[in-house]
Amino acid sequence: AQKVTQAQTEISVVEKEDVTLDCVYETRDTTYYLFWYKQPPSGELVFLIRRNSFDEQNEISGRYSWNFQKSTSSFNFTITASQVVDSAVYFCALSELLNNAGNMLTFGGGTRLMVKP
Amino acid sequence: DTAVSQTPKYLVTQMGNDKSIKCEQNLGHDTMYWYKQDSKKFLKIMFSYNNKELIINETVPNRFSPKSPDKAHLNLHINSLELGDSAVYFCASSPPGAGGNSPLHFGNGTRLTVT
Repeated sequence: AQKVTQAQTEISVVEKEDVTLDCVYETRDTTYYLFWYKQPPSGELVFLIRRNSFDEQNEISGRYSWNFQKSTSSFNFTITASQVVDSAVYFCALSELLNNAGNMLTFGGGTRLMVKP
Repeated sequence: DTAVSQTPKYLVTQMGNDKSIKCEQNLGHDTMYWYKQDSKKFLKIMFSYNNKELIINETVPNRFSPKSPDKAHLNLHINSLELGDSAVYFCASSPPGAGGNSPLHFGNGTRLTVT
């Protein structure tokens, strides 16, 4: 069975600090996909990034960066120079293909990030 | 322009009632889902449909019955509502993925409160 663990339930930082959200996963699949979603206080779920299991290159998008390490089954998310608007719950998720008919996401428990001015 | 839309946004009802939540997507996706988010923010899949056909039913009580009249719609009907059904329900959709790489596009959620 697939499992995603986000050990940090809540993180509080001051604006402009860097912050890393941890994600550790378990799967028996050799090919899989990992995702990060953001849930701001307004409640919607916003897709941030996906990464496949055979591409371990780190990725940077503006102030966001992701570090995928297959050896430790981790897919961590770093926000550089955090801003108040980054305050949200962040979810890491692992994908399981459904017989080529879409994919089922198993979510971690989420990390609530609070950025204070 | 809304990609995945759910109605209603809020639903307050009493125990024992029957209610429905509607979901529509205009993305042309083949697969639709219902996820439940509990009070601790934990997200768990309930159902998945592909081209109107049920793919996943994750041990959800049979008081919950999804209905997909066409591939753009996946409605959720709940009979005999219980207090524990209070949660936020998210509809989502995705295109056929090559190996599971398709991100899910979520609706804005329906907050169900059972009193």
